[in-house]
Amino acid sequence: NAGVTQTPKFQVLKTGQSMTLQCAQDMNHEYMSWYRQDPGMGLRLIHYSVGAGITDQGEVPNGYNVSRSTTEDFPLRLLSAAPSQTSVYFCASRSSTGTGFRGYTFGSGTRLTVV
Amino acid sequence: ELKVEQNPLFLSMQEGKNYTIYCNYSTTSDRLYWYRQDPGKSLESLFVLLSNGAVKQEGRLMASLDTKARLSTLHITAAVHDLSATYFCAVDIGGTASKLTFGTGTRLQVTL
Repeated sequence: NAGVTQTPKFQVLKTGQSMTLQCAQDMNHEYMSWYRQDPGMGLRLIHYSVGAGITDQGEVPNGYNVSRSTTEDFPLRLLSAAPSQTSVYFCASRSSTGTGFRGYTFGSGTRLTVV
Repeated sequence: ELKVEQNPLFLSMQEGKNYTIYCNYSTTSDRLYWYRQDPGKSLESLFVLLSNGAVKQEGRLMASLDTKARLSTLHITAAVHDLSATYFCAVDIGGTASKLTFGTGTRLQVTL
Protein backbone atom coordinates (compact mmCIF):
# COMPACT_ATOMS: atom_id res chain seq x y z
CA ASN A 1 0.00 0.00 0.00
CA ALA A 2 1.93 3.04 -1.28
CA GLY A 3 -0.51 5.70 -0.02
CA VAL A 4 0.03 9.06 -1.74
CA THR A 5 2.93 9.23 -4.19
CA GLN A 6 4.34 12.51 -5.43
CA THR A 7 6.88 12.99 -8.19
CA PRO A 8 9.36 14.52 -8.60
CA LYS A 9 10.78 15.08 -5.12
CA PHE A 10 12.93 18.02 -6.23
CA GLN A 11 12.73 20.32 -9.25
CA VAL A 12 14.47 23.48 -10.40
CA LEU A 13 12.71 25.54 -13.07
CA LYS A 14 13.58 28.68 -14.92
CA THR A 15 11.13 31.56 -14.86
CA GLY A 16 8.51 31.06 -17.56
CA GLN A 17 8.89 27.30 -17.84
CA SER A 18 5.93 25.02 -17.32
CA MET A 19 5.79 21.69 -15.56
CA THR A 20 3.43 19.17 -14.00
CA LEU A 21 3.69 17.86 -10.46
CA GLN A 22 2.31 14.36 -10.25
CA CYS A 23 0.18 12.96 -7.45
CA ALA A 24 -1.26 9.45 -7.31
CA GLN A 25 -3.05 7.56 -4.56
CA ASP A 26 -3.97 3.88 -4.36
CA MET A 27 -6.52 4.06 -1.54
CA ASN A 28 -9.57 4.79 -3.72
CA HIS A 29 -10.01 8.12 -1.97
CA GLU A 30 -12.61 10.50 -3.41
CA TYR A 31 -11.05 13.68 -2.10
CA MET A 32 -7.67 14.98 -3.25
CA SER A 33 -6.01 18.34 -2.78
CA TRP A 34 -2.84 20.32 -3.33
CA TYR A 35 -1.16 22.56 -0.77
CA ARG A 36 1.90 24.72 -0.77
CA GLN A 37 4.08 25.34 2.26
CA ASP A 38 6.23 28.41 2.56
CA PRO A 39 8.75 29.11 5.35
CA GLY A 40 7.12 30.17 8.59
CA MET A 41 3.65 29.50 7.31
CA GLY A 42 1.20 26.70 7.50
CA LEU A 43 0.02 24.92 4.41
CA ARG A 44 -2.26 26.80 2.02
CA LEU A 45 -4.77 25.13 -0.26
CA ILE A 46 -4.21 25.57 -4.00
CA HIS A 47 -6.88 23.35 -5.63
CA TYR A 48 -8.97 20.43 -4.53
CA SER A 49 -11.17 17.73 -6.02
CA VAL A 50 -14.11 15.82 -4.53
CA GLY A 51 -14.13 13.18 -7.25
CA ALA A 52 -13.15 12.40 -10.81
CA GLY A 53 -14.12 15.25 -13.12
CA ILE A 54 -14.76 17.70 -10.27
CA THR A 55 -12.23 20.32 -9.20
CA ASP A 56 -12.38 23.67 -7.43
CA GLN A 57 -10.10 26.48 -6.38
CA GLY A 58 -8.60 26.88 -2.96
CA GLU A 59 -7.00 29.86 -1.28
CA VAL A 60 -4.06 30.43 -3.67
CA PRO A 61 -5.03 29.06 -7.13
CA ASN A 62 -3.44 31.68 -9.40
CA GLY A 63 -0.76 30.28 -11.70
CA TYR A 64 -1.86 26.67 -11.24
CA ASN A 65 -4.19 24.33 -13.10
CA VAL A 66 -5.53 20.93 -12.12
CA SER A 67 -7.61 18.18 -13.64
CA ARG A 68 -8.99 14.91 -12.27
CA SER A 69 -9.64 12.41 -15.02
CA THR A 70 -9.31 9.36 -12.74
CA THR A 71 -9.87 8.69 -9.05
CA GLU A 72 -6.19 7.85 -8.60
CA ASP A 73 -4.43 10.85 -10.17
CA PHE A 74 -4.51 14.56 -9.46
CA PRO A 75 -1.72 16.42 -11.33
CA LEU A 76 -0.87 20.05 -10.63
CA ARG A 77 0.31 22.14 -13.59
CA LEU A 78 2.38 25.28 -13.34
CA LEU A 79 1.61 27.25 -16.47
CA SER A 80 4.48 29.75 -16.45
CA ALA A 81 6.69 29.40 -13.41
CA ALA A 82 7.50 32.46 -11.33
CA PRO A 83 9.96 32.86 -8.42
CA SER A 84 6.96 33.38 -6.12
CA GLN A 85 6.03 29.75 -6.77
CA THR A 86 9.21 28.53 -5.09
CA SER A 87 7.77 26.38 -2.33
CA VAL A 88 7.21 22.87 -1.08
CA TYR A 89 4.11 21.28 -2.56
CA PHE A 90 2.09 18.59 -0.83
CA CYS A 91 -0.66 16.45 -2.22
CA ALA A 92 -3.21 14.93 0.13
CA SER A 93 -6.17 12.59 -0.11
CA ARG A 94 -8.94 11.34 2.13
CA SER A 95 -11.89 9.02 1.99
CA SER A 96 -15.43 10.12 2.69
CA THR A 97 -16.32 10.39 6.36
CA GLY A 98 -17.96 7.54 8.20
CA THR A 99 -16.84 4.45 9.99
CA GLY A 100 -13.07 4.11 9.95
CA PHE A 101 -12.47 7.67 8.80
CA ARG A 102 -8.79 8.43 9.21
CA GLY A 103 -8.51 11.94 7.88
CA TYR A 104 -6.02 13.08 5.29
CA THR A 105 -2.95 11.25 4.04
CA PHE A 106 -0.14 13.44 2.73
CA GLY A 107 2.45 12.69 0.11
CA SER A 108 6.16 13.20 0.74
CA GLY A 109 6.21 16.56 -1.02
CA THR A 110 7.88 18.20 -4.02
CA ARG A 111 10.46 20.88 -3.34
CA LEU A 112 10.30 23.36 -6.22
CA THR A 113 12.74 26.18 -6.87
CA VAL A 114 12.09 28.73 -9.61
CA VAL A 115 15.13 30.79 -10.65
CA GLU B 1 -13.39 32.91 5.63
CA LEU B 2 -12.13 30.36 8.10
CA LYS B 3 -9.15 31.46 10.17
CA VAL B 4 -7.10 29.14 12.33
CA GLU B 5 -4.80 30.54 14.98
CA GLN B 6 -2.23 28.55 16.88
CA ASN B 7 -0.22 29.61 19.86
CA PRO B 8 2.46 29.72 20.82
CA LEU B 9 4.37 29.85 17.54
CA PHE B 10 7.54 28.69 19.21
CA LEU B 11 7.92 26.69 22.37
CA SER B 12 11.14 25.73 24.07
CA MET B 13 10.64 23.39 26.98
CA GLN B 14 12.73 21.18 29.18
CA GLU B 15 12.46 17.45 29.20
CA GLY B 16 9.99 16.26 31.78
CA LYS B 17 7.82 19.37 31.67
CA ASN B 18 4.19 19.68 30.61
CA TYR B 19 2.75 22.19 28.19
CA THR B 20 -0.29 22.88 26.02
CA ILE B 21 -0.58 24.15 22.46
CA TYR B 22 -3.79 25.97 21.60
CA CYS B 23 -5.69 26.05 18.33
CA ASN B 24 -8.57 28.50 17.85
CA TYR B 25 -10.71 28.64 14.75
CA SER B 26 -13.26 31.14 13.56
CA THR B 27 -16.21 29.24 12.06
CA THR B 28 -18.22 26.18 12.90
CA SER B 29 -16.52 22.90 12.19
CA ASP B 30 -16.58 19.50 13.80
CA ARG B 31 -13.48 18.10 12.18
CA LEU B 32 -10.09 19.04 13.47
CA TYR B 33 -6.74 17.41 12.87
CA TRP B 34 -3.33 17.55 14.46
CA TYR B 35 -0.18 16.86 12.47
CA ARG B 36 3.49 16.59 13.24
CA GLN B 37 6.17 17.66 10.80
CA ASP B 38 9.88 17.00 11.17
CA PRO B 39 12.30 19.26 9.25
CA GLY B 40 12.30 18.47 5.54
CA LYS B 41 9.61 15.82 5.96
CA SER B 42 5.93 15.41 5.22
CA LEU B 43 3.05 15.69 7.65
CA GLU B 44 2.33 12.81 9.97
CA SER B 45 -1.22 12.49 11.22
CA LEU B 46 -1.45 12.51 15.02
CA PHE B 47 -5.12 12.92 15.85
CA VAL B 48 -8.47 13.16 14.09
CA LEU B 49 -11.11 14.83 16.26
CA LEU B 50 -14.64 14.53 14.91
CA SER B 51 -17.03 15.62 17.61
CA ASN B 52 -17.48 18.02 20.46
CA GLY B 53 -15.76 16.80 23.58
CA ALA B 54 -13.55 14.37 21.68
CA VAL B 55 -10.37 13.47 23.53
CA LYS B 56 -7.65 11.28 22.13
CA GLN B 57 -4.33 10.24 23.59
CA GLU B 58 -1.23 8.68 22.10
CA GLY B 59 1.80 8.31 24.31
CA ARG B 60 2.74 11.69 25.79
CA LEU B 61 0.31 13.62 23.59
CA MET B 62 -3.35 14.25 24.24
CA ALA B 63 -5.69 16.26 22.02
CA SER B 64 -9.15 17.58 22.79
CA LEU B 65 -11.85 19.44 20.91
CA ASP B 66 -14.44 21.94 22.16
CA THR B 67 -16.59 22.88 19.17
CA LYS B 68 -18.64 25.37 21.14
CA ALA B 69 -15.54 27.35 22.10
CA ARG B 70 -13.97 26.62 18.69
CA LEU B 71 -10.87 25.48 20.49
CA SER B 72 -8.61 22.47 20.37
CA THR B 73 -5.67 21.76 22.62
CA LEU B 74 -2.65 19.52 22.26
CA HIS B 75 -1.24 18.68 25.66
CA ILE B 76 2.28 17.39 26.07
CA THR B 77 3.05 15.41 29.19
CA ALA B 78 6.61 14.91 30.46
CA ALA B 79 8.21 16.04 27.22
CA VAL B 80 11.12 14.12 25.72
CA HIS B 81 13.60 15.24 23.07
CA ASP B 82 11.99 13.02 20.42
CA LEU B 83 8.90 15.23 20.52
CA SER B 84 10.86 18.13 19.02
CA ALA B 85 9.07 19.00 15.76
CA THR B 86 6.55 21.44 14.33
CA TYR B 87 2.91 20.74 15.20
CA PHE B 88 0.03 21.93 13.06
CA CYS B 89 -3.66 21.97 13.69
CA ALA B 90 -5.97 22.03 10.69
CA VAL B 91 -9.71 22.48 10.41
CA ASP B 92 -11.95 20.96 7.77
CA ILE B 93 -15.00 22.94 6.71
CA GLY B 94 -16.62 19.64 5.85
CA GLY B 95 -19.80 19.09 3.95
CA THR B 96 -19.20 18.39 0.29
CA ALA B 97 -16.01 20.44 0.34
CA SER B 98 -12.64 19.08 1.25
CA LYS B 99 -10.75 22.13 2.35
CA LEU B 100 -8.24 22.01 5.14
CA THR B 101 -7.25 25.32 6.68
CA PHE B 102 -4.03 25.12 8.66
CA GLY B 103 -2.72 27.04 11.61
CA THR B 104 0.75 28.53 11.23
CA GLY B 105 2.29 25.79 13.33
CA THR B 106 4.02 25.54 16.69
CA ARG B 107 7.70 24.76 16.60
CA LEU B 108 8.48 22.70 19.67
CA GLN B 109 12.01 22.35 20.93
CA VAL B 110 12.59 20.03 23.86
CA THR B 111 15.90 20.52 25.61
CA LEU B 112 17.71 18.47 28.21
